[in-house]
Amino acid sequence: GQQVMQIPQYQHVQEGEDFTTYCNSSTTLSNIQWYKQRPGGHPVFLIQLVKSGEVKKQKRLTFQFGEAKKNSSLHITATQTTDVGTYFCAGPNTGNQFYFGTGTSLTVIP
Amino acid sequence: NAGVTQTPKFRVLKTGQSMTLLCAQDMNHEYMYWYRQDPGMGLRLIHYSVGEGTTAKGEVPDGYNVSRLKKQNFLLGLESAAPSQTSVYFCASRRGDGRYTFGSGTRLTVV
Repeated sequence: GQQVMQIPQYQHVQEGEDFTTYCNSSTTLSNIQWYKQRPGGHPVFLIQLVKSGEVKKQKRLTFQFGEAKKNSSLHITATQTTDVGTYFCAGPNTGNQFYFGTGTSLTVIP
Repeated sequence: NAGVTQTPKFRVLKTGQSMTLLCAQDMNHEYMYWYRQDPGMGLRLIHYSVGEGTTAKGEVPDGYNVSRLKKQNFLLGLESAAPSQTSVYFCASRRGDGRYTFGSGTRLTVV
């Protein structure tokens, strides 16, 4: 069935370093969403990518959707302690219900 | 505008007990979902609903039942709780463009 794989599972970075998480699907996705979950919190929507090769930026966050629409990435430039949390990607299956990746847990060391 | 509200926030059950988790949304969303979150497992879909009076199974439906009698409410039931159901449960609703809005979660421990 539909699977969305995410790597790495954990990432520790020094404050100021960059961070990237990758999301891969076995099938072509019509779109992909990204969410952030702070420790002890709930997932919060960040962005949705729809077009092949699409790149969107939100301040220090850059989101990309692959040309084949099977992979996506989230890159954070110059991490801050406020970036701590788990980042999830989510892609729709044939029934238009979204499957979430396993998430990448980001720890930022001050 | 409260968004998605889940009750209770915390609960401890004994094995074999039953309980119902309540989810309410005030955004007039058609789609509602129940997920469970376990360490290293991400968010796994339990059941979902595409409208009032409808329900469907997700990835891990065994041991759970749901009902959507009113559009704004989605209930998740555990008939006979087991330790394997210890988890954090999230309810979510969805806009037409696919964006999910999550509740703050219910932390359930089954002893």
